[in-house]
Amino acid sequence: GAVVSQHPSWVICKSGTSVKIECRSLDFQATTMFWYRQFPKQSLMLMATSNEGSKATYEQGVEKDKFLINHASLTLSTLTVTSAHPEDSSFYICSARRLAGGDNEQFFGPGTRLTVL
Amino acid sequence: GENVEQHPSTLSVQEGDSAVIKCTYSDSASNYFPWYKQELGKGPQLIIDIRSNVGEKKDQRIAVTLNKTAKHFSLHITETQPEDSAVYFCAASVLRGGKLIFGQGTELSVKP
Repeated sequence: GAVVSQHPSWVICKSGTSVKIECRSLDFQATTMFWYRQFPKQSLMLMATSNEGSKATYEQGVEKDKFLINHASLTLSTLTVTSAHPEDSSFYICSARRLAGGDNEQFFGPGTRLTVL
Repeated sequence: GENVEQHPSTLSVQEGDSAVIKCTYSDSASNYFPWYKQELGKGPQLIIDIRSNVGEKKDQRIAVTLNKTAKHFSLHITETQPEDSAVYFCAASVLRGGKLIFGQGTELSVKP
């Protein structure tokens, strides 16, 4: 149990287009999901925290109008990279928090490789 | 804000040897410290975690130690195997399941 999926696993798009990435918790409900970005040979950097039914909280330096996050249900959060540019090429990883018995645990998805030409 | 420093950035060991990766954190409010293993092109996988009320935790060949006074925590892998080769990340959080601040990562290479 506690599986998080991401779709697509990889995507190539042209500069100026928008790309949507989905994050799903397959067998549990996630009131909170997190979106991270990872450049090659670097660490994971938190972009935003997404709570179901409310606006996402963005980390300092992350443009909320460029990285649109929607958490419409307890099992799905989406990240839309608007007007993508080559510098947005990165590995995007989501995680979902499962509440179990009063304790929390965070599970990561497999990541989405975005390449902007 | 919280900052997590991780060392070394690369580590090469012979199969069967031990590997140690160290992290320090800045926010004294942090009380949850997970370690993740990330293989190329994949998402991170939790391998072990520790909370601030415990000084050491062990799971087979993997152990984590925590020195809350010094704000240090370390990952110990014994009897390393080639399949242990990956990038390892430490992280810190104020609570389990909360916002994670990651260290810079350690690329571990286990040579047969």
